[in-house]
Amino acid sequence: KQEVTQIPAALSVPEGENLVLNCSFTDSAIYNLQWFRQDPGKGLTSLLLIQSSQREQTSGRLNASLDKSSGRSTLYIAASQPGDSATYLCAVSSGYALNFGKGTSLLVTP
Amino acid sequence: KAGVTQTPRYLIKTRGQQVTLSCSPISGHRSVSWYQQTPGQGLQFLFEYFSETQRNKGNFPGRFSGRQFSNSRSEMNVSTLELGDSALYLCASSLATQGVSYEQYFGPGTRLTVT
Repeated sequence: KQEVTQIPAALSVPEGENLVLNCSFTDSAIYNLQWFRQDPGKGLTSLLLIQSSQREQTSGRLNASLDKSSGRSTLYIAASQPGDSATYLCAVSSGYALNFGKGTSLLVTP
Repeated sequence: KAGVTQTPRYLIKTRGQQVTLSCSPISGHRSVSWYQQTPGQGLQFLFEYFSETQRNKGNFPGRFSGRQFSNSRSEMNVSTLELGDSALYLCASSLATQGVSYEQYFGPGTRLTVT
């Protein structure tokens, strides 16, 4: 059974810092990995999708990497802003369903 | 292009009642998935439908059921509600075809409270 772990569970940084969120998974037989953002009480917003054959994806200040063999992915956020405050979720697809980590709650202080 | 829509956004039900939630996918998306989110368990997969067929089901009791219509809209039903069914129910749609997994797009969710 696929297990997805996200570290740290919570993170507080001052505005302007670069930061890295970590995601690990136990089964390397995946189709893709997706990073989401969730604001309190809201749905999920897709940030980046990395297919299993890819090593990384970039969108603006976000960069996500994937190392399938070691079962790890990182989400790099450059020059953090207070508007980045949210919960970040990593999800692995092994077929028709996504397996989610518990998320990293990020607070960026002005 | 309109996003995934879910109705209703909020529901309050009593133990023992049943409830039906609705999801309209992004136009052109034929795959619809349902997830339950609770503070303790996080996000858990309920089921996935493609072209009116359930292709995959998570580890939930039979009280949870769903269906998909020919226009790809989907409904999920929970019968004999329990307090533990209180959660945010999220629907996602994608272009996923046979054996291929694409990016999933989520709706705003339906917040169900069981009293």
